Amino acid sequence: QVQLVESGGGVVQPGRSLRLSCAASGFTFSNHGMHWVRQPPGKGLDWVAVISYDGRTKYYADSVKGRFTISRDNSKNTVYLDMNSLTSEDTAVYRCAKEQDNRDDFFDYWGQGTLVTVSS
Amino acid sequence: IQMTQSPSSLSASVGDRVTITCRASQGIRNYLAWYQQKPGKVPKLLIYAASTLQSGVPSRFSGSGSGTDFTLTISNLQPEDVATYYCQKYRNDPWAFGQGTKVEIK
Repeated sequence: QVQLVESGGGVVQPGRSLRLSCAASGFTFSNHGMHWVRQPPGKGLDWVAVISYDGRTKYYADSVKGRFTISRDNSKNTVYLDMNSLTSEDTAVYRCAKEQDNRDDFFDYWGQGTLVTVSS
Repeated sequence: IQMTQSPSSLSASVGDRVTITCRASQGIRNYLAWYQQKPGKVPKLLIYAASTLQSGVPSRFSGSGSGTDFTLTISNLQPEDVATYYCQKYRNDPWAFGQGTKVEIK
């Protein structure tokens, strides 16, 4: 069965960096685009970034452009999110999500998420 | 492109018909998905392509619309439908979500 397991969250001071990982299993990882979506405590879903199946194409939400970088290692079935210059506005649960396929790129599976808290 | 849902919350009785609307700031054809998020849980895909029910989703859920205006309907509301519902545009950047509609039971 499809599994997405995030890790790397924690408490970090404003201005510092953090790297999140999402380990995938149960499907052919290299065939699917992957996304990061965040959810601040008690608030709604906020799309963050996407990376294509081959890693060549990436897009970012305006709120994180220039600060966050998405990448993937298809040999390790893992997608990453490098987050720099963190602010309190970045405090959220971060989940990775799998696209159904390259044509229908809505999200058919989500991870449980990892909590990132930006606080001094 | 921005996605706007209404209402932000609603309260209805078991057995009621509930309708949630989602409006895109630009036309998105039928590239619209709906997700259900129960308290403390991961979002779950309900509907894609505006009206196609994901496998395993009860038939009391339905979706309609195209272009800029979309609806999610829950006929015969059940206690297990208590959740927040989100619409999302897909197919190109940004994969934006609506702000969510919280559904409660009276």
